[in-house]
Amino acid sequence: RKEVEQDPGPFNVPEGATVAFNCTYSNSASQSFFWYRQDCRKEPKLLMSVYSSGNEDGRFTAQLNRASQYISLLIRDSKLSDSATYLCVVRIQTGANNLFFGTGTRLTVIP
Amino acid sequence: DTGVSQDPRHKITKRGQNVTFRCDPISEHNRLYWYRQTLGQGPEFLTYFQNEAQLEKSRLLSDRFSAERPKGSFSTLEIQRTEQGDSAMYLCASSLGTPGFLFFGPGTRLTVL
Repeated sequence: RKEVEQDPGPFNVPEGATVAFNCTYSNSASQSFFWYRQDCRKEPKLLMSVYSSGNEDGRFTAQLNRASQYISLLIRDSKLSDSATYLCVVRIQTGANNLFFGTGTRLTVIP
Repeated sequence: DTGVSQDPRHKITKRGQNVTFRCDPISEHNRLYWYRQTLGQGPEFLTYFQNEAQLEKSRLLSDRFSAERPKGSFSTLEIQRTEQGDSAMYLCASSLGTPGFLFFGPGTRLTVL
């Protein structure tokens, strides 16, 4: 069973739309959660951490549901520049400093 | 440019050859990670250094793979006797230690013919 599962998409949405991605994780001992963004043929870049109480950064809102073991990312007022793959990332406190990445959800914002 | 750099950016090799990749992390970062990413997948953890010490190795890292970080600065990843299944993007990342806050390099794309 994968540590992190995401719907690979693609999600094709018009400019200005609101889109949400979910990601589920299997290990209840997961400690920290993140969303990374990866543009085509580029490296992943940290988009935002996900805090227990939920957090917002401009048009982006991240939420964590520990009971159901999922995290979500909401993008409001989508821009063309939001087109990318969004990677859900989970850190498990096992003594190893590694992260588990999901396969990513591909978003294309259409003019 | 003060980001993470990797060299080469692309490598094409024949099966059975050895290859070595280099990663230069952000200078003040003491933690360095190697990941591998194949098409349609997220990055998979390979190994992790804190300063010059290699603290963790993934089960994915067979004995054909070796990584070093001799002076706690740059790191090398060597793959011996390459196989076609080794074809992937090899990503290096560094951090100061805040969990999950990784800065990735542009990657080395390996193609094994």
